[in-house]
Amino acid sequence: GDSVTQMEGPVTLSEEAFLTINCTYTATGYPSLFWYVQYPGEGLQLLLKATKADDKGSNKGFEATYRKETTSFHLEKGSVQVSDSAVYFCALSRAGGSYIPTFGRGTSLIVHP
Amino acid sequence: DTGVSQDPRHKITKRGQNVTFRCDPISEHNRLYWYRQTLGQGPEFLTYFQNEAQLEKSRLLSDRFSAERPKGSFSTLEIQRTEQGDSAMYLCASSPLLGDSANYGYTFGSGTRLTVV
Repeated sequence: GDSVTQMEGPVTLSEEAFLTINCTYTATGYPSLFWYVQYPGEGLQLLLKATKADDKGSNKGFEATYRKETTSFHLEKGSVQVSDSAVYFCALSRAGGSYIPTFGRGTSLIVHP
Repeated sequence: DTGVSQDPRHKITKRGQNVTFRCDPISEHNRLYWYRQTLGQGPEFLTYFQNEAQLEKSRLLSDRFSAERPKGSFSTLEIQRTEQGDSAMYLCASSPLLGDSANYGYTFGSGTRLTVV
């Protein structure tokens, strides 16, 4: 079945450092890929998405490129801020799976001043 | 429209009691999903509705769990005879019609945190 694998956290960085959170997926066909962010005590918010190979999703300085050849969708940001501290979830959604999203376990990001 | 609303935000209950949660999706969204999230894990799918029809249920949804969406608008999730293992965050999400969901993404509520003591 479909699955999403994320790097384990927590990821701890200093402010203005470069961020990469790895995400790989297993799915048949051509899923859509998403990154969601969850701040403490809150629900998940859509951060960015990509719907086909080589698409790049971007939002708030975060980027991720849909790489079908490596089945990856790594999240990057050039300069993190303390306010980026949160848990980040990679997810996929596939037409054959009734579009029900499948989520990874999440990666906690802690940014220090 | 203020997004997806869930009520209550927190619920503490004694083992064996019944609890009911409510979700109000974005008004024009046809699809509504329930997820469960335990500490340190990603959301796990429980069930989803398209309008008032419950189209799929996860194996996680035991006989003690029931969900309804009677008029295709708000939904309720009831847990009967709660157990300590039911303690989790219960998340609701909504999305537009099939086919748009994959492009549009899903809007989540803030969740209901259930603690069974």
